[in-house]
Amino acid sequence: DAKTTQPTSMDCAEGRAANLPCNHSTISGNEYVYWYRQIHSQGPQYIIHGLKNNETNEMASLIITEDRKSSTLILPHATLRDTAVYYCIVRGPGYALNFGKGTSLLVTP
Amino acid sequence: DSGVTQTPKHLITATGQRVTLRCSPRSGDLSVYWYQQSLDQGLQFLIQYYNGEERAKGNILERFSAQQFPDLHSELNLSSLELGDSALYFCASSSGGSSTDTQYFGPGTRLTVL
Repeated sequence: DAKTTQPTSMDCAEGRAANLPCNHSTISGNEYVYWYRQIHSQGPQYIIHGLKNNETNEMASLIITEDRKSSTLILPHATLRDTAVYYCIVRGPGYALNFGKGTSLLVTP
Repeated sequence: DSGVTQTPKHLITATGQRVTLRCSPRSGDLSVYWYQQSLDQGLQFLIQYYNGEERAKGNILERFSAQQFPDLHSELNLSSLELGDSALYFCASSSGGSSTDTQYFGPGTRLTVL
């Protein structure tokens, strides 16, 4: 699976959009980009995934660049409950999710 | 709530002992995955079962074993426990056997080995 690079930490004001970047310059054509988050020591929570096209669901939007070498997860209106560690995972045809260190997002009042 | 349940929530035991962690997947899911999260190693994949059969193996120690039963619940057995086995153990489930099925995680079992 391709390696991902994320900032260690980010801050966001409550009510504003949180934009979390992820670099995956070695991604292959059949590899998906997945985003999970982990709030404190709870189980990782699935957010969204995509292959080439931008995706949106009730939680977030995923923007993947045309060359697929980077992506951005957007939480449109961050709340205090969105404070968590966010993991960007590039997943190929294997069964394991390879979690890196992720980005620790702090949403402030 | 992901629909994946794990018991117990917390487990405290001594070195050398054996414990069993239990996972019930979401209704209809056939695959179960086990992950370990320790402070120094992060979240690591241990093993996957699909419909009762072992499908993939990760960084699982020989002292650890797992199985999936006909009702699709799974158990992770940890034996000859060491201090370093103290960690959060998560179970995840997915609908089928595809390697790109979305995995949904349970709340975890926190194991403390004293």
